[in-house]
Amino acid sequence: QQQVKQSPQSLIVQKGGISIINCAYENTAFDYFPWYQQFPGKGPALLIAIRPDVSEKKEGRFTISFNKSAKQFSLHIMDSQPGDSATYFCAASRSGGYQKVTFGIGTKLQVIP
Amino acid sequence: NAGVTQTPKFQVLKTGQSMTLQCAQDMNHNSMYWYRQDPGMGLRLIYYSASEGTTDKGEVPNGYNVSRLNKREFSLRLESAAPSQTSVYFCASSEGTATRPQHFGDGTRLSIL
Repeated sequence: QQQVKQSPQSLIVQKGGISIINCAYENTAFDYFPWYQQFPGKGPALLIAIRPDVSEKKEGRFTISFNKSAKQFSLHIMDSQPGDSATYFCAASRSGGYQKVTFGIGTKLQVIP
Repeated sequence: NAGVTQTPKFQVLKTGQSMTLQCAQDMNHNSMYWYRQDPGMGLRLIYYSASEGTTDKGEVPNGYNVSRLNKREFSLRLESAAPSQTSVYFCASSEGTATRPQHFGDGTRLSIL
């Protein structure tokens, strides 16, 4: 059972455009939602994270939007650049003590010039 | 600034062979993790260690063993490799004792024939 559903699996965006990746979760106990960025041949890197007490978090060109009632969250990359081409994973976990992180299956983003 | 270092980077094994994947972190982190990454499956937790001297199973522990040798090092052992264990293996670490990986190594690409 996939607890975090991520879409699309692949995405092609033109340079300067907005990249949007969506995730939906089932477990209402999740209260921490990180995004990871992975370049080819490298390990994932924590990019940005949000808790459900806010509806949006922005760091530079990266923004997480969170809709608690719909159990959905999304990553927006503004002014997408070729250097943003990577695989992006959303994830979810519960806070406090041992709580494993559940990852989405990943979205391969390609930003073309 | 090495971060998380994994060795080897690539390995080919025959079914039934054994091997140990090594991981070391130089950030004085308490928690360390082993994940496997398979196409269409995201990242799945194999084992984790919340602190030196402790290890716990993740969601896919069968066929693996781990050792937290000291605070820096966390190894993953395949006792009798099977083709289903062909994957990319990532070691990760985090400062606290929760299971939210912060820093990943660059992975070990393991093929089992």
